Amino acid sequence: TAGITQAPTSQILAAGRSMTLRCTQDMRHNAMYWYRQDLGLGLRLIHYSNTAGTTGKGEVPDGYSVSRANTDDFPLTLASAVPSQTSVYFCASSDSTRDTQYFGPGTRLTVL
Amino acid sequence: GQNIDQPTEMTATEGAIVQINCTYQTSGFNGLFWYQQHAGEAPTFLSYNVLDGLEEKGRFSSFLSRSKGYSYLLLKELQMKDSASYLCAVMDSNYQLIWGAGTKLIIKP
Repeated sequence: TAGITQAPTSQILAAGRSMTLRCTQDMRHNAMYWYRQDLGLGLRLIHYSNTAGTTGKGEVPDGYSVSRANTDDFPLTLASAVPSQTSVYFCASSDSTRDTQYFGPGTRLTVL
Repeated sequence: GQNIDQPTEMTATEGAIVQINCTYQTSGFNGLFWYQQHAGEAPTFLSYNVLDGLEEKGRFSSFLSRSKGYSYLLLKELQMKDSASYLCAVMDSNYQLIWGAGTKLIIKP
């Protein structure tokens, strides 16, 4: 079982460009999450989805959008990247919002 | 506001015992999680506490006191592979995880 996969592994992006980070899980988990991790800070929730077809805003949603067309996929889009979006992005999933979250390997994004 | 505090860095010796503390102030409480994160890798789940007391899982144990807003992760018989960051996270009243910044544990031979 692959669990959660993320793509790309890393990316360098010019400011102003758009990009979609991909996340796919094969555990049939209902809930999925996007976090960013920055040095010296805890993981911060960007957006979440409690179940397919629904999404919600987390702590730091500005500049990001998500969609949840099906159970397995939860892409994160940066419409117009800015240098402050340089970070490591982790996708996670859980059976329900009350359950343990399991993480993908992450995407390291650098915006120049 | 919501806050999770844990030490930034700790150093311990191979074979020894180390205790990593976590204190929290959150809007509601629906459990406390500990994760391990090796450098450049994803966080991996270690333990979950929702009731007061000690949960033991092999070399790792986790303790919770809800009245004190306090937890610790105890690692015994330290091995070099335990060198990692340890993240404390609390599930709040909205079932969202609030994360501490993590404790970097350095193991010396």
